[in-house]
Amino acid sequence: GNSVTQMEGPVTLSEEAFLTINCTYTATGYPSLFWYVQYPGEGLQLLLKATKADDKGSNKGFEATYRKETTSFHLEKGSVQVSDSAVYFCAEGGSNYKLTFGKGTLLTVNP
Amino acid sequence: NAGVTQTPKFRVLKTGQSMTLLCAQDMNHEYMYWYRQDPGMGLRLIHYSVGEGTTAKGEVPDGYNVSRLKKQNFLLGLESAAPSQTSVYFCASSYNSGSPPYEQYFGPGTRLTVT
Repeated sequence: GNSVTQMEGPVTLSEEAFLTINCTYTATGYPSLFWYVQYPGEGLQLLLKATKADDKGSNKGFEATYRKETTSFHLEKGSVQVSDSAVYFCAEGGSNYKLTFGKGTLLTVNP
Repeated sequence: NAGVTQTPKFRVLKTGQSMTLLCAQDMNHEYMYWYRQDPGMGLRLIHYSVGEGTTAKGEVPDGYNVSRLKKQNFLLGLESAAPSQTSVYFCASSYNSGSPPYEQYFGPGTRLTVT
C-alpha cells in the first residue's frame, strides 16, 4: 500500500535558522501531496499542497516542491520563528478520498 | 462557522466501559473521517464515511463502530474500552468538489484514557 516516510524528530533550531524536513512517498500513479501542521493542543491544519509533478506549494514562508523523479516533497523555510514550533505531517492522497500520513516531525524553535 | 467540533475534549474510562465520541461539522462536507494519534505512529484512519448513511473501515477499525445518520454528524463508539485504545482521537471532514484527494479539515481532538 501507499506510505509516507518523513524525517524523525525532534528537530530543534534557533530562531532565523533554515529549516528542512524531508518527506518521501510510495504510491502508484500521481498522488497529491500535502503538508499539515499541528500546533500544541490543536488539530491538524493544512499548510500547503501540490497536485502534480514540479508544482511548488507555499504558505506562511514555507515551501515544498513535488519531485516525481525522487518521490519527495521536502518542506523548507528560510528563517524559522518561535511561533513555527509545532508538529509537521507530510501526507499523500490518490483518488480514493483518503490521505496517508507520515508519523510527524516535532519542530522546536528557540529564541 | 464553527468548522469541525468534537465532544468531549477529555475522557477517562475504565476497561470494559463504553462511550461515544461525537463529531459535528457545519461546512456541508460529504466526507468524514475518524483518526487516532499515538506517539511515534502518526495518524491512523479508523473509519470513514463518504456520505450520510454510509461508513467504511480504515486502517485500524477493530474495537470501534461508527454511524453517520445525519450528514453533519459522525459518531465513533467504543463498546468495551481497552487500555490499547488510550489515544487522541481526531475527526476530520472534507468537501468533494473537483477531483480527489480533498483537503481535510480537522477538529481539536478528544484525549481518551482507558485505565
